Order: sequence, then structure tokens, then C-alpha cells
Amino acid sequence: GAGVSQSPSNKVTEKGKDVELRCDPISGHTALYWYRQRLGQGLEFLIYFQGNSAPDKSGLPSDRFSAERTGESVSTLTIQRTQQEDSAVYLCASSLTSPGTRSADTQYFGPGTRLTVL
Amino acid sequence: TQLLEQSPQFLSIQEGENLTVYCNSSSVFSSLQWYRQEPGEGPVLLVTVVTGGEVKKLKRLTFQFGDARKDSSLHITAAQPGDTGLYLCGRSGTYKYIFGTGTRLKVLA
Repeated sequence: GAGVSQSPSNKVTEKGKDVELRCDPISGHTALYWYRQRLGQGLEFLIYFQGNSAPDKSGLPSDRFSAERTGESVSTLTIQRTQQEDSAVYLCASSLTSPGTRSADTQYFGPGTRLTVL
Repeated sequence: TQLLEQSPQFLSIQEGENLTVYCNSSSVFSSLQWYRQEPGEGPVLLVTVVTGGEVKKLKRLTFQFGDARKDSSLHITAAQPGDTGLYLCGRSGTYKYIFGTGTRLKVLA
């Protein structure tokens, strides 16, 4: 498909386990974003990649969260030792250009991964 | 601060009514975007405003960027049940993208 895809669509895990979430951006999009959305809330920015580099990782909630991107394509968000407070929908988006340009480029979002930590 | 405050937070109206959603910041930004998110899906871009005082129309939706580029509004005329969703304003920051707190709109038939 031509859109952003994420897997898995749903993930239920036990407290303390590690989880890995995957995002496949639109081909050719250099910028990739991860967001967290708790139930009934807005979007919380986590991290942004320009190519394979993340200029600022301060948006990640704790050191249990990490993300990487390879080949200027797929990205994975890893949450170690999951806690119940990590339960949320994790959304990925991609765009042609990076933030900070005068006119921000359109972000195309994937359907999200719904994470439930029991 | 780079925060974007939206108001109201929740809005429930009858079909056919008009409404306005606001997005405010204490800092100037070069451009601002409005997205709509429907349940179970990711947000979808509605519009980008760039110039202070700019007004853009998208069918029954009118978007305005404040003259000082610190605020924006979204006005919906004759709301329909299909307008139901979460409306988000957003802007670029340094190495990040910032979304507003969101306005959850429900239009009742």
C-alpha cells in the first residue's frame, strides 16, 4: 500500500515485559514521527527522525523508551519493562520534509498500535 | 513556551449549528496546521495557514490565522454528524512537532 503502516495493530502484554512497535513510512519520506495518545487525550510527541537520525530524544517519557530507524525507512519503538501507564495508542507519521521549515509539511499517519499493559 | 492551548476541550452540538474552535499560543509561529482525527484512525490534515491574517475555506470549514501569528480559529458552519471527531491544531518546533490539547466535537443528528 501507499500509506503508513504499523504493526501490530493491537498488543496486549504483561507488566514488566518488553514490546517492540513497528512503523513503515511512505516510501521517500525522510521525516518520521512517533506519538503517544492516551484514551480520550490529544497527541503527545515522542521523537522525530530525519533520515536515520533523531536530533532530540528528550520527548521520550523515560529511559525505558527507545527508538531507531534504519535505511531511512522502517522504524521501531521499543518499550522495556512495560508499566500500566504505558497503555495507549502509539501513532507513527511520516512527511517529505522535516519540522522547522517555514511551512510544515503534511504528516501522514498510520492507524496506530493499541498497547494494553495488564 | 511552545504549548498550544485549544478551547473548548469538548463540544456537543445539534446538527445545523455553528461552532468555533480556538488554538492559542504565547509565542509566534511561522505556520500552523489543523488536523481532524476520527475514532480508531490517525489524524488527517485539513489545512496549513502560513500568513498572518490568512483565511482559508474548506467547504463549510473556515480557518483563520491571527494577525500576530499567535492564534488560529476554525469555524464550522451548519455542522453535520460527519464533522464529529477530534480537532487538533499543530505546529513545528525545533526538532519536534507540537499538537494542541485538542477539541473533541460531537454533532448530534
